[in-house]
Amino acid sequence: EIVLTQSPGTLSLSPGERATLSCRASQSVSSRYLGWYQQKPGQAPRLLIYGASSRATGIPDRFSGSGSGTEFTLTISRLEPEDFAVYYCQQYGSSPLTFGGGTKVEIK
Amino acid sequence: EVQLVESGGGLVQPGGSLRLSCAVSGFSFDNFAMSWVRQAPGKGLEWVSALSAGGGTTYYADSVKGRFTISRDNSKNTLYLQMNSLRAEDTALYYCAKDSQGRVGAINGKGFTYWGQGTLVTVSS
Repeated sequence: EIVLTQSPGTLSLSPGERATLSCRASQSVSSRYLGWYQQKPGQAPRLLIYGASSRATGIPDRFSGSGSGTEFTLTISRLEPEDFAVYYCQQYGSSPLTFGGGTKVEIK
Repeated sequence: EVQLVESGGGLVQPGGSLRLSCAVSGFSFDNFAMSWVRQAPGKGLEWVSALSAGGGTTYYADSVKGRFTISRDNSKNTLYLQMNSLRAEDTALYYCAKDSQGRVGAINGKGFTYWGQGTLVTVSS
């Protein structure tokens, strides 16, 4: 099983600041199978990034993904008020599919 | 418009059973793999099970293997999760999610492109 470890657990930032979220895998993950999701309170998760760096339909370009192997990063270039949420990485290339534990981006 | 609507959740005693349903519309259901993902109160996401587009290949998390069964009725555009021998640790909001391809691990996969709003399962005496 591929274990995904996200850090930090919580990120306290102000609107307009840059957010950098990390996702580390216990073994190499093909970039084509690494995704990022956003979840707001009371809502279902929403796909942001697939294939490590491709934005899903309708996702603003302030969201970007990068990385390969065991180290992946989600960057939000300038935080908007609606970006404060919990973010999860996921590997979907092999069973069992796994999610990271999440990073909460909160308003400082 | 793509829609996924879960139902069937509720309160059940430990050791009991429950069957969840996910009715979908707005896309060709029989072309896509589907998954169940759960979220315990205040916790993160946990993938539970997946099923290929044709229903021939199933995948399970170790935590539910042997107790849960995923299935689909492509004529009814509905995904199911039969949950037996339920435990307190199965208490969670259960989401169904649409894959971008017909099977897990397919080239050009994009992860879970659409999600339902979830149905709550509470296992308690």
